[in-house]
Amino acid sequence: GQQLNQSPQSMFIQEGEDVSMNCTSSSIFNTWLWYKQDPGEGPVLLIALYKAGELTSNGRLTAQFGITRKDSFLNISASIPSDVGIYFCAGLTLNYGGSQGNLIFGKGTKLSVKP
Amino acid sequence: EPEVTQTPSHQVTQMGQEVILRCVPISNHLYFYWYRQILGQKVEFLVSFYNNEISEKSEIFDDQFSVERPDGSNFTLKIRSTKLEDSAMYFCASSLSRPQYFGPGTRLLVL
Repeated sequence: GQQLNQSPQSMFIQEGEDVSMNCTSSSIFNTWLWYKQDPGEGPVLLIALYKAGELTSNGRLTAQFGITRKDSFLNISASIPSDVGIYFCAGLTLNYGGSQGNLIFGKGTKLSVKP
Repeated sequence: EPEVTQTPSHQVTQMGQEVILRCVPISNHLYFYWYRQILGQKVEFLVSFYNNEISEKSEIFDDQFSVERPDGSNFTLKIRSTKLEDSAMYFCASSLSRPQYFGPGTRLLVL
């Protein structure tokens, strides 16, 4: 089945540093989504990307939908302690007829920020 | 801001018992989903639901699982006879278009 390779698996950074993580796949996706998950809670949507090449920002977060439609990256600038958590990429395909398909998740990047 | 809600937040059950997990999706959304996450692992798709029927399901969603939208607001996941390996966080999600919004989850522990 479809799989996403997300890297790095974990990161330990100093407060104020920039962070970069990415996802790659052998399959094409129509949409890339980035979520953040805190312990014991549900994934919270950070950024949604809909077109190949699209670059989208949400505050200190920037994400891009790769030209090949098989990859995406997420950057966090000037990290702060509340950025701690697990970041997941997710790719979405559409079913026949264009109805909504299911999300394929990466394994996550665990971010730790040292004050 | 509208949110997906789920009840209960935690459920402990004996192996072989039936459980029903409940979700209230965002009110104007049309597509509904269940995902699960075994501790320390990635989120996995179970089933999607649209227009009062299942539109897609994964290999995990076997005959022990069923979903229902009994009224205009609730969306439920039933596990008929729980197994130890069903212990996980179960997330409901809903969408109007492509972005899917997740609830806080139900932590299910099967003993």
